[in-house]
This record gives sequence, structure tokens and C-alpha cells, in this order.
Amino acid sequence: AQSVSQHNHHVILSEAASLELGCNYSYGGTVNLFWYVQYPGQHLQLLLKYFSGDPLVKGIKGFEAEFIKSKFSFNLRKPSVQWSDTAEYFCAVTLGDSWGKLQFGAGTQVVVTP
Amino acid sequence: EAGVAQSPRYKIIEKRQSVAFWCNPISGHATLYWYQQILGQGPKLLIQFQNNGVVDDSQLPKDRFSAERLKGVDSTLKIQPAKLEDSAVYLCASSAGQDLRPLHFGNGTRLTVT
Repeated sequence: AQSVSQHNHHVILSEAASLELGCNYSYGGTVNLFWYVQYPGQHLQLLLKYFSGDPLVKGIKGFEAEFIKSKFSFNLRKPSVQWSDTAEYFCAVTLGDSWGKLQFGAGTQVVVTP
Repeated sequence: EAGVAQSPRYKIIEKRQSVAFWCNPISGHATLYWYQQILGQGPKLLIQFQNNGVVDDSQLPKDRFSAERLKGVDSTLKIQPAKLEDSAVYLCASSAGQDLRPLHFGNGTRLTVT
């Protein structure tokens, strides 16, 4: 079955530590890849996206992600996290030329301690 | 611009009761989505509208769930009768089109079925 897998459900780390969240998908064909973030009490927001081209994409707030086609992966990274990065992070996939029919992973809750 | 508005923010009902959620998308957005997010899982698409027509409702449990967008603007999602497993956050999102344009999410309605 087609799916999106996120490797960790909960991550706790200290400020200034590096963050890497894993995401794998099992869809064949052309995929579009996304990372969304949900800060406490707020709505889902787009962090970054990959459609084509350079597999290393940069998003808002210092986040970046790398698409590795051979590994069906789209891992999210940030070199140095801040307390304000505490949030839930969702990897998502759409097929073809659609933004909207997002298939989400289960999410990773990230807690950054001061 | 104003964001996607949803109401109510919270709803508690007993099983077998009915409930309705309302969504007002961003002005001018033709495409509207309803997602269901069960605790511990990522959002799952229930239904997609383009203007007032249904594009995809393949994952909508039609025996108890219904949705409409009569004038191509606001939308309502109804559950009748509710089951315990319907407890979730119901997210509405809108976009300017079905193609590669970003989704804007509302804050969601948290439903608890007791």
C-alpha cells in the first residue's frame, strides 16, 4: 500500500542541537514532497516543498530537506534549533501535478528545551 | 489576507448524535478540502471540492458523513450518527486552484465523541 513513514514520533533536544527528521514514502512515479509544521495552537503551515530540480531545498526558518530518489526519502534538517522550533512536523506527498491530495505521515513531535 | 475560518473550535457530543462543522475559505479560493486528523496520525483527506462540485470523495465514509459547498464558497461537513472513532480534529483547507498552488489550513474543529 502507498504510505508515508516518519521515523520518529517524539524527539527531544536542546537548543543549538542539530535536528534531522526522517521521511520515507512508498509511491512510484512522479511525487511532490512537502514538510508542514504545526506550532502549538496554530494551523498547519508549509515549511518547504520539492517538485523538481535541485534535490536540496531550503525552506523558512533555516530548515532544509534533501530528496534522495533512490532511497525514497525526504529528510528534514536544521543545523541549530531554537526553543521556538518546538512543534509537530509532518511529511507529506502528492502525486503528479496536485498540491491538494496530500498524503501525510503520522508526524513527529519535536520538543526543544532551553 | 484573512485565513481559513472554521467553527466551532471544539465540540463534544455523545455517540449516535449528529454534528456539523463549518468552513469559510480564503476569498477567491476555488478549491476546498476537508481533512480528518485522528490523534497520533497525520491528516487524511476526506473530500475535495472545486467550486461547488465534488472532485474526490473516495475516502469519505458516506454512510455517515456528508459535505456540501452549495454556493462555491462556505462548506459544511456533517456526521450523522457519530461514532466513538470519529473523535478527531477536522481540518479545512483551501487553495486558489487544483494545480501546484499552496494549501492554506484552518485551525480545525476538535470533535470528541463520548
